[in-house]
This record gives sequence, structure tokens and C-alpha cells, in this order.
Amino acid sequence: EPEVTQTPSHQVTQMGQEVILRCVPISNHLYFYWYRQILGQKVEFLVSFYNNEISEKSEIFDDQFSVERPDGSNFTLKIRSTKLEDSAMYFCASSRDRGFYNEQFFGPGTRLTVL
Amino acid sequence: AQTVTQSQPEMSVQEAETVTLSCTYDTSESDYYLFWYKQPPSRQMILVIRQEAYKQQNATENRFSVNFQKAAKSFSLKISDSQLGDAAMYFCAYEVNAAGNKLTFGGGTRVLVKP
Repeated sequence: EPEVTQTPSHQVTQMGQEVILRCVPISNHLYFYWYRQILGQKVEFLVSFYNNEISEKSEIFDDQFSVERPDGSNFTLKIRSTKLEDSAMYFCASSRDRGFYNEQFFGPGTRLTVL
Repeated sequence: AQTVTQSQPEMSVQEAETVTLSCTYDTSESDYYLFWYKQPPSRQMILVIRQEAYKQQNATENRFSVNFQKAAKSFSLKISDSQLGDAAMYFCAYEVNAAGNKLTFGGGTRVLVKP
């Protein structure tokens, strides 16, 4: 069964460094999402992406964040200058279409640790 | 802003017994969806069950069923005949039928299944 995959599973970086988190959505899916979960807190929506454009973004998704679909398979989240508070689990998700019957399929997550 | 609250951080159930997880949400929208996601240890979140707000009939999926009380903004999940494989974090989530398709999650309930 097709799955969303994410790499790396764990990334450690120094404060101020740039990181790129990678996701491979399910191949025939058109909608892509990033969520994050700070340890002990709720899963929070960051951004949704469709047709090479951001559909919606949260207040968390400021100028330090960007998303890209550089080719036909990858979907990336870039954090330009990481802060300590960016340490979290980042989940990628994808869905075939919008609407009730098009569930979001989640990847296993990337744990980002900022030192 | 929409919020989702899961008041039970952890629930324990004997194998073959029934457990009910509570979820309440706050919204002023009329067209929305509700979901329960399961996250087994070290695995990705998977959809367990979903409900459209305008449908009064409660959704069921095999051993999983919901009690949707729209006026009370309550959406509880019942797991019947609990199995060891049901042990996981369970997240209640809400989605407005809008362009961004963002999911708003509750804080999660950990379900422990005792043999």
C-alpha cells in the first residue's frame, strides 16, 4: 500500500543553521501539507500546498519557512535560520483531492532537534 | 478560532472490553468534518473514522463508532472489543470545508490495552 515517506527520521542542527526536511507524498496525490508537534503539545498545522502554490498557512509559518515541490515526487520544508523553539516533530501529509472523502495520509515524521 | 479538546490524557482498557474517548470542539462554522486518527508507537497517523457535520447518523467502522452530538459540539470515539493492536495515541481532529483543508487537532489520548 502506498505510503508517505519522510527523510531524515531525525535531524540535529545548530541554532541559526538552515535545514531542509524532505517528504515523498503518495504518487497520485495533489494536495500536500506540513504539520508539527512540539514535545508535549498538540499537532499544529503549518501549511497546505496545491498546484505549486500555498493554499493556506498558519501564523507559525513565517518568513523563516518555505515549501517547495522541486520535482514530481518530493515536497520539502525549509527552515532558513533555525531557532531553539523549532525543535519538534514535523509531519508531512498528502491527499488526492479536497473534501471529506479525501483523507490526509501522514508520514512517520522527522524529529528536528535544534541545539 | 477553532479548538479541539481531548480531556483524557490516558485511558486504560482490558482486552475485549469497551473504551470511550471524549472530544469536544469549538467552532462557529456549519460545514465541517470530524476525524479520529490513530498513531501507534513509532508509526504514522492513520485515519480511523470520519463524520460529516451535516449527517446526524453516527459513523461506524467495524469495532469503532462515534457519538456525534452537534449541538453539544461533542465527538466521542468508542472502541468495542478492544484488541492489543488498538494501543496507540488517538487524536480527534476537525476540518472546515474550505480551501486550505487544514486539520485542527486535539491533544491526544493514549490508550493502553491490558491483556
